Amino acid sequence: GAGVSQSPRYKVAKRGQDVALRCDPISGHVSLFWYQQALGQGPEFLTYFQNEAQLDKSGLPSDRFFAERPEGSVSTLKIQRTQQEDSAVYLCASSLDRRITKQYFGPGTRLTVT
Amino acid sequence: GENVEQHPSTLSVQEGDSAVIKCTYSDSASNYFPWYKQELGKRPQLIIDIRSNVGEKKDQRIAVTLNKTAKHFSLHITETQPEDSAVYFCAASKGGSYDKVIFGPGTSLSVIP
Repeated sequence: GAGVSQSPRYKVAKRGQDVALRCDPISGHVSLFWYQQALGQGPEFLTYFQNEAQLDKSGLPSDRFFAERPEGSVSTLKIQRTQQEDSAVYLCASSLDRRITKQYFGPGTRLTVT
Repeated sequence: GENVEQHPSTLSVQEGDSAVIKCTYSDSASNYFPWYKQELGKRPQLIIDIRSNVGEKKDQRIAVTLNKTAKHFSLHITETQPEDSAVYFCAASKGGSYDKVIFGPGTSLSVIP
């Protein structure tokens, strides 16, 4: 079956612009995670959804970051008024159920803020 | 909160030799420890995981060991091959109904033919 997909794969934004990054998890997966991966670093947790409920957003770096998953499937990560320090790869991952088990990652969106 | 450290940051081995990557974690409540492999420009993929009710787990050339008392766990790759070259990330979580997964900074493994 299809894996986790993300779009766009690459995004260049001018500082101050708003961006929206999309994640399509594996169908039926309950849990969805967003991570930020800076160059040469491990993925850093941003936020977690269980179906449509956002249970943890403690990793979002500022109030410019907002995520939603209104119908419990597709999720969108929005970054308002982008800054250069937002440049990173944004990874989405999904897992089958509520328990922490194998996460399936998407290919990521590489965001470059100029 | 949980903090995961990983060593070494880079590792070069000759093809056929073994590679060992070590991680430590800070939260004694963590009980789920996955390892992910990320090839250049690709997505992370789970290669093996271990839960705290076991001390060792093997899958062909890959093994993971866990020492809960010392709060460290290790990845062992035997008979390394060039296709094992990648960045490897360890991670830790409390597991259960939900807890965030905290990743280490990664180890870049190069297998020299």
